[in-house]
Amino acid sequence: DVVLTQTPPTLLATIGQSVSISCRSSQSLLHSNGNTYLNWLLQRTGQSPQPLIYLVSKLESGVPNRFSGSGSGTDFTLKISGVEAEDLGVYYCMQFTHYPPLTFGSGTKLEIK
Amino acid sequence: QVQLKESGPGLVQPSQTLSLTCTVSGFSLTSYDVHWVRQPPGKGLEWMGGIWGDGSTAYNSALKSRLSISRDTSKSQVFLKMNSLQTEDTAIYFCTRETTEGIHYFDYWGQGVMVTVSS
Repeated sequence: DVVLTQTPPTLLATIGQSVSISCRSSQSLLHSNGNTYLNWLLQRTGQSPQPLIYLVSKLESGVPNRFSGSGSGTDFTLKISGVEAEDLGVYYCMQFTHYPPLTFGSGTKLEIK
Repeated sequence: QVQLKESGPGLVQPSQTLSLTCTVSGFSLTSYDVHWVRQPPGKGLEWMGGIWGDGSTAYNSALKSRLSISRDTSKSQVFLKMNSLQTEDTAIYFCTRETTEGIHYFDYWGQGVMVTVSS
C-alpha cells in the first residue's frame, strides 16, 4: 500500500502568514495514463472533510485562490498564501493512483495564533 | 442538489455486525461510485471500500474479510455491513461520492455517523 507522509503534523500560523504542508509518497503517484491522482482535503472541527485540490494543483470549485498545490512524483506541497481564520482545521493529502486501497496522509493540523 | 446521508445504530456490541445505510440524492448510483471512509475519534481517515457505478466493489484488504458493500439503486441507497466488530471499530463512518470523468476525487461527503462499539 502507498504510504503518504505529511509534515509538519501541526502548524501554528498568524493571520496573513503563508504556510506550506508537505506530502511525500512511498511510491511515485504518476499514473500510467499520465495523470497524478494526488488530492488535498480540509476537515474543519466537527465537520466532514471537504475537497480543496485535485490532480495535484486543480482547485475545487469555490475554493479561494490563496490555496495552491504543486509537486510531482513522490513530493507534493499545499500552500496557503495568506492564512485566514476560516482556514483552521486538519489538512489531508490522499492518493488515488494506486488503488485499492486509496490512502490518506496522517493529517496536518493548522492552528491560528 | 447532491446530498449523502448516513444512518445506522449509534451503539453496537462487540462481536456483532454493523449495518449502515447511505441514502443519496441529486445523482444516480449507476453513474457515480460511492465509497465508505471511517475516522476513529481524534485520528485520521481510513478508506474502507467502494461500489462502482456498474455495481462492482473494492475493499481495503485490512477489512475485506469482514466487510460487504452493496446497494439498491431503486432506493438510491448504499449499504455497508461489517461483522465481528471490536472496540477499535469505534469511529465516525462517512459515505462519499467520487467524481466522474476519471478525475478521481471525493467531491461530496455525508455528515457522518458515529458508531461506538461497546458492551
